[in-house]
Amino acid sequence: KAGVTQTPRYLIKTRGQQVTLSCSPISGHRSVSWYQQTPGQGLQFLFEYFSETQRNKGNFPGRFSGRQFSNSRSEMNVSTLELGDSALYLCASQSLSGLLSTDTQYFGPGTRLTVL
Amino acid sequence: AQTVTQSQPEMSVQEAETVTLSCTYDTSESDYYLFWYKQPPSRQMILVIRQEAYKQQNATENRFSVNFQKAAKSFSLKISDSQLGDAAMYFCAYRSPNTGNQFYFGTGTSLTVIP
Repeated sequence: KAGVTQTPRYLIKTRGQQVTLSCSPISGHRSVSWYQQTPGQGLQFLFEYFSETQRNKGNFPGRFSGRQFSNSRSEMNVSTLELGDSALYLCASQSLSGLLSTDTQYFGPGTRLTVL
Repeated sequence: AQTVTQSQPEMSVQEAETVTLSCTYDTSESDYYLFWYKQPPSRQMILVIRQEAYKQQNATENRFSVNFQKAAKSFSLKISDSQLGDAAMYFCAYRSPNTGNQFYFGTGTSLTVIP
C-alpha cells in the first residue's frame, strides 16, 4: 500500500496570506489527523476528521480549519498567516477497525510552511 | 488533558551498545495505548513500537523493546545493538480510547549514535 502523502512538501508565504495543505491517507484509512510541529512547542494536535466529520479539535485559533472529502482525503487551511505559523505540518491516517481500535497512526512526510 | 514527559532532550550511545529512553505520562484512565515513534532527519515519523495498557507483557520488536510500568506510569524504550540508522528524534505518545484518536506526544529525545 502507498503511504500517507502530503502536498506540497514546502511552502513559502507572507504574513496575511492564506494557505491550503493537502493530505491523502493510506487506502482504506478513514481517519485523518493533523499536527503542527515546531521546535519550541513540539507536536501539537490540530484536529481529526473521520467520515468527513471533525471529531476532535486541539487548542488552536479559528484561523486553522480543515475538511475531509468522501474519498478520505483531507485539506487543512490556515487564514491570515502569522510568523508563528511557520512549522512542519504533519498528517496522520488511521484505519479505526473497531470501537476500541488499537490501530496506529501512520504519518506523512509533512509540509514545511515558512511564513515571511 | 493527558501529559507525556520525556526528561532526556538528548542521548548518545556507542554503536552496538544498548540505550534506554525514558517516558512518563499522567493519566487517570485504566485503558489506553502507548507508542514510540522515530523521526529521522528526513522528518518522516515512523512507528517503532506500541503497547496496550491492558497487556502486562512488554512489547518487543526486534532490537526494540519497552519496559512498561503501569503503576509508575512509565514507558521506556530500550534499543539494543544500536546502529547508525537509529539516530533520530524519538517521541513517546499516549492515546486514549475516550478522546477519539487524539495522540499526546512528548517533547522528544534526540538520539545520537557514535560510530
